[in-house]
Amino acid sequence: LAKTTQPISMDSYEGQEVNITCSHNNIATNDYITWYQQFPSQGPRFIIQGYKTKVTNEVASLFIPADRKSSTLSLPRVSLSDTAVYYCLVGVRRTGFQKLVFGTGTRLLVSP
Amino acid sequence: DGGITQSPKYLFRKEGQNVTLSCEQNLNHDAMYWYRQDPGQGLRLIYYSQIVNDFQKGDIAEGYSVSREKKESFPLTVTSAQKNPTAFYLCASSIRAGLSGANVLTFGAGSRLTVL
Repeated sequence: LAKTTQPISMDSYEGQEVNITCSHNNIATNDYITWYQQFPSQGPRFIIQGYKTKVTNEVASLFIPADRKSSTLSLPRVSLSDTAVYYCLVGVRRTGFQKLVFGTGTRLLVSP
Repeated sequence: DGGITQSPKYLFRKEGQNVTLSCEQNLNHDAMYWYRQDPGQGLRLIYYSQIVNDFQKGDIAEGYSVSREKKESFPLTVTSAQKNPTAFYLCASSIRAGLSGANVLTFGAGSRLTVL
């Protein structure tokens, strides 16, 4: 089973760039890497998804090295509203079904 | 608007009672999932279903049961066998596994269950 490992917490200040790394040594060939953001008492919200190299959207960038054993979520110029828990998700395939397993999550605290 | 509706938002249960949490989606998604979240903790998978009339146990299925009689609905029953059911329960859905974007889950707003 592909298992993910993330830092438990990170601290930052407004306006800084934040990079959160996720390790997934057993990622399967067809698996995508997906990141979610969760605020307290809400369901997680999709941020970005990638397979290899670099993906960028309006809120974040995702960097994936050639061996795909890790990925880094990059949040440019964070604000107080980016304080949340960030989850790395890698698809786990078993006998035709896809069991989606969340990592431990990284609690990001952005201070003024 | 398409999305996932969970109900009730808050639920209180006496010990020994079964309760059922509703999850309905109008996204035409094939796959649906139930996760449990304890305070300050991550998400743990309870059950998941890829197609109607079929579902698989996740990591913490003991004390829970599900059904998938319709594509739109995936109710979760928390039985009296679940020893510590107080938690935040999240339902999610996604397109069928094997397709690009299958990892993109859409979550409901959650149901918070408290056992008195």
